[in-house]
Amino acid sequence: QKEVEQDPGPLSVPEGAIVSLNCTYSNSAFQYFMWYRQYSRKGPELLMYTYSSGNKEDGRFTAQVDKSSKYISLFIRDSQPSDSATYLCAMTFTGGGNKLTFGTGTQLKVEL
Amino acid sequence: EAGVAQSPRYKIIEKRQSVAFWCNPISGHATLYWYQQILGQGPKLLIQFQNNGVVDDSQLPKDRFSAERLKGVDSTLKIQPAKLEDSAVYLCASSFTPGQGTDTQYFGPGTRLTVL
Repeated sequence: QKEVEQDPGPLSVPEGAIVSLNCTYSNSAFQYFMWYRQYSRKGPELLMYTYSSGNKEDGRFTAQVDKSSKYISLFIRDSQPSDSATYLCAMTFTGGGNKLTFGTGTQLKVEL
Repeated sequence: EAGVAQSPRYKIIEKRQSVAFWCNPISGHATLYWYQQILGQGPKLLIQFQNNGVVDDSQLPKDRFSAERLKGVDSTLKIQPAKLEDSAVYLCASSFTPGQGTDTQYFGPGTRLTVL
């Protein structure tokens, strides 16, 4: 069993749709949860970061963490074609030396 | 602020040949990471440096992979000899302060290696 599981997609949605991306994990020590966006042939860039359980909102993006269920989500409201990319969840823990464990990534395409 | 620089961007070699990748991190960043990203997978950490010392190389295949970070700035990653399964994108990342769990890693564009 992988430490972090993520549906690889691809996920195709119409412009303006609400997108839900999810990851599950098995290591209860994880405390810091991130979402990275990776455009084709580019390196990942940090989109959202959350510590422990709860919600965090940034513009059209909302990150949710449910530690009791070991489940994290990223919601994208009013999705745009420019949101088309691969979304990677990543996580780490205090004392982990900032070592990130990534999911496989979900490929998202937002169509006009 | 200049980002993480990597070269070359693309490399095609035959199996059993050697190859080297170069990374220049963001100025002032103490920690440098090399990741391997195989198509359809998330990045996997190969080695982590803090300044010029190795913090974690537990997932580096040391029989064929080597890395160094001389003077705590630039870094090179070498594969010798390459195998078909080494075909991947090699990502370099850097961060300012290690060990906090909140230290953002900034990634370079990666080097896409194809081994024939």
